[in-house]
Amino acid sequence: GENVEQHPSTLSVQEGDSAVIKCTYSDSASNYFPWYKQELGKRPQLIIDIRSNVGEKKDQRIAVTLNKTAKHFSLHITETQPEDSAVYFCAAPSGGYQKVTFGTGTKLQVIP
Amino acid sequence: EPEVTQTPSHQVTQMGQEVILRCVPISNHLYFYWYRQILGQKVEFLVSFYNNEISEKSEIFDDQFSVERPDGSNFTLKIRSTKLEDSAMYFCASSEDTGRPPGAFFGQGTRLTVV
Repeated sequence: GENVEQHPSTLSVQEGDSAVIKCTYSDSASNYFPWYKQELGKRPQLIIDIRSNVGEKKDQRIAVTLNKTAKHFSLHITETQPEDSAVYFCAAPSGGYQKVTFGTGTKLQVIP
Repeated sequence: EPEVTQTPSHQVTQMGQEVILRCVPISNHLYFYWYRQILGQKVEFLVSFYNNEISEKSEIFDDQFSVERPDGSNFTLKIRSTKLEDSAMYFCASSEDTGRPPGAFFGQGTRLTVV
């Protein structure tokens, strides 16, 4: 099955700085990679995803890069704001893409 | 905006009791999922459901668990004999098709506490 590793587990940045979260996966057949943001006590919310036919995708201050050869993908948040503080999870599907394996999460703290 | 809704928001049950968690997926979605999240840990896949049958399940989803779509709108997760370690937040999710990331739309969750 799919094994997803995520680093770092915690990340503190000053407001305005950039944050980078990295994930690796094991199933070479995986072909799309979502990122979720989870605020305390709330549900996970899909914030961006990338498919294996592209190497990078950007949505305002959020970008995701994918290296299929190395089997890793990263989330980049630029110009961080206090409201970006949350736990971020990467994920990768396996099997018939109905099963999603989540990373262990990164707790991001943006210090005003 | 359409939402996945879950009831109850919090359920307390005694060990060994059966519980049923309920979900109403978004109406035009075809794929349904249950996940769980033990406090402070990652989200774990339990099961996916399509065309009135389980399409995938994890090793967590043993014989104590079952899912059902009893009518055209509800999707339920039943735990037959709860254990202390079943205490977690349970999220239901749905998707239109496999072109979207599975579980793109999560419900607000049911917090299950087994005492």
